[in-house]
Amino acid sequence: GDSVTQMEGPVTLSEEAFLTINCTYTATGYPSLFWYVQYPGEGLQLLLKATKADDKGSNKGFEATYRKETTSFHLEKGSVQVSDSAVYFCALSDRRGAQKLVFGQGTRLTINP
Amino acid sequence: GAVVSQHPSWVICKSGTSVKIECRSLDFQATTMFWYRQFPKQSLMLMATSNEGSKATYEQGVEKDKFLINHASLTLSTLTVTSAHPEDSSFYICSAPLGEPQHFGDGTRLSIL
Repeated sequence: GDSVTQMEGPVTLSEEAFLTINCTYTATGYPSLFWYVQYPGEGLQLLLKATKADDKGSNKGFEATYRKETTSFHLEKGSVQVSDSAVYFCALSDRRGAQKLVFGQGTRLTINP
Repeated sequence: GAVVSQHPSWVICKSGTSVKIECRSLDFQATTMFWYRQFPKQSLMLMATSNEGSKATYEQGVEKDKFLINHASLTLSTLTVTSAHPEDSSFYICSAPLGEPQHFGDGTRLSIL
């Protein structure tokens, strides 16, 4: 079945550092790819998405590019802030089906001032 | 603003009690909604797909009689945890698709004493 593998956490960085959170996937079709963010005690918020190969999703300074050749969707940000501290989930959606999401295990990110 | 409302956000109750969680889509209709469960510091696991006007589709290993799902209208799905026990304590999150991305409720933290 489809699966998503994320970089193991937790990740701790200093403010203004460069961030990369790796995400790779396996899927039989052509999935859409997403990054969701979860702040403490809250539900998930969509951070960005990409629906086809070479698409770049971006939002709030975060970016991720849909790489079909490497089956990856790595999340990057050039300069992180304390407010970026959260858990980040990479996910895919098989558009052939009922739009179920398959999530990676999540990466907890802590940014120190 | 929120497009999916989940209620209650926090429940504490005694073992043996049944607990109902509501998930509402705001300003849009959702023939399908999804229920996820999240254990502490872990990823989201899909429990079931809620289908308006028909039976829910449960994922493998999820007890249908324990987790009752009713999709009563195009904007409301409910999850009832029947005869809850401490091992049912968890964070439950619903989602509904609006276009391609899923929109999530803020989750319900269920604690069974």
